Amino acid sequence: QKEVEQNSGPLSVPEGAIASLNCTYSDRGSQSFFWYRQYSGKSPELIMSIYSNGDKEDGRFTAQLNKASQYVSLLIRDSQPSDSATYLCAVTRYNYGQNFVFGPGTRLSVLP
Amino acid sequence: EPEVTQTPSHQVTQMGQEVILRCVPISNHLYFYWYRQILGQKVEFLVSFYNNEISEKSEIFDDQFSVERPDGSNFTLKIRSTKLEDSAMYFCASKELQETQYFGPGTRLLVL
Repeated sequence: QKEVEQNSGPLSVPEGAIASLNCTYSDRGSQSFFWYRQYSGKSPELIMSIYSNGDKEDGRFTAQLNKASQYVSLLIRDSQPSDSATYLCAVTRYNYGQNFVFGPGTRLSVLP
Repeated sequence: EPEVTQTPSHQVTQMGQEVILRCVPISNHLYFYWYRQILGQKVEFLVSFYNNEISEKSEIFDDQFSVERPDGSNFTLKIRSTKLEDSAMYFCASKELQETQYFGPGTRLLVL
């Protein structure tokens, strides 16, 4: 079974702190990795993607990928109350349909 | 900025009735997807569609489900005989050749 795991949270951090979100996946054939943010009752919105080992930075967000450990993480620097949401890790293989396998999400609460 | 649209935003139906959920993907996208999210649970893949045919489908996507691209813009999901457990948020997504999928706002389906 191809699984993506995340700590469900809630993860609470004070405003201005760094929030660290983790994701592990079981399928070694996984090729691409995505972080989405989902506000309650809304659809997932893309934060960033990462395809190769190492770090990728985009503004306050940094994604880290370690394929050997089957681990991907998201760091949010200078967390804001508006960052309070559920963060979804999504993984895809290079199959014909290229569909996502989502983790259960981590609920982040940034306290003012 | 182009976006995926979905109609209706909410649908209430009686068990055993047929429902059709509609999506208009982003115009130059080639891959189309349906996902569902039961309240409080993770986002689950249903089906992917490429080149006018189903490319992948999950175990959830049984004979009660079908998809169609009836014209150049719409992408529909039909549930022939709804069950109580079909109550969920249904998300349509689309993408170009590269891997990032963009999600529509969702249709909340309630089966009574």
